[in-house]
Amino acid sequence: AQSVTQLDSHVSVSEGTPVLLRCNYSSSYSPSLFWYVQHPNKGLQLLLKYTSAATLVKGINGFEAEFKKSETSFHLTKPSAHMSDAAEYFCVVSDQGTYKYIFGTGTRLKVLA
Amino acid sequence: GAVVSQHPSRVICKSGTSVKIECRSLDFQATTMFWYRQFPKQSLMLMATSNEGSKATYEQGVEKDKFLINHASLTLSTLTVTSAHPEDSSFYICSATRQGASLQETQYFGPGTRLLVL
Repeated sequence: AQSVTQLDSHVSVSEGTPVLLRCNYSSSYSPSLFWYVQHPNKGLQLLLKYTSAATLVKGINGFEAEFKKSETSFHLTKPSAHMSDAAEYFCVVSDQGTYKYIFGTGTRLKVLA
Repeated sequence: GAVVSQHPSRVICKSGTSVKIECRSLDFQATTMFWYRQFPKQSLMLMATSNEGSKATYEQGVEKDKFLINHASLTLSTLTVTSAHPEDSSFYICSATRQGASLQETQYFGPGTRLLVL
């Protein structure tokens, strides 16, 4: 069975400092992994996805994530946080075959001025 | 590309009435659409998977007679909450995947519908 664990429910950073949102996955095969962002009362926007190509994935708005098989991790990073990055972030693994998404519990990012 | 819309964005209804929520893929044909429910400050819970022209597949614990799903075309799926009660108040989000084996992995989400049942 597949699963994802988001290690932090809340993360606070100062504007202009790096962002690190942690995600570990469990899968019996090479997974497809995604990061989505949700702003208040909005749907989810795809930030980036990993589908067994390059292990370093670049996404929108300056975000990137690195797939590390040895550590079963897919952490999301951004070099410099912006106030508009404040939102809920979800790490997701896609079930092979059904394409159902298995969501992490989410990490709320707060950006301090 | 890959825009999904939902209508309405917000609805308030009286207890006992039915509410229909539409989910449309605007610039692509959707092989599959998914319906989720999200409680405040929580993650998304998958309710059902919908394929065009066939019956929806409901997740365990989701009442199919309560949450009616129709997927009449490759660009439209509807969720009808029948005889709504206050406990059905929630944020309902749909998503869609594009046709094509490698494309089905990525879901594109609608903006969500906030339902409040009084």
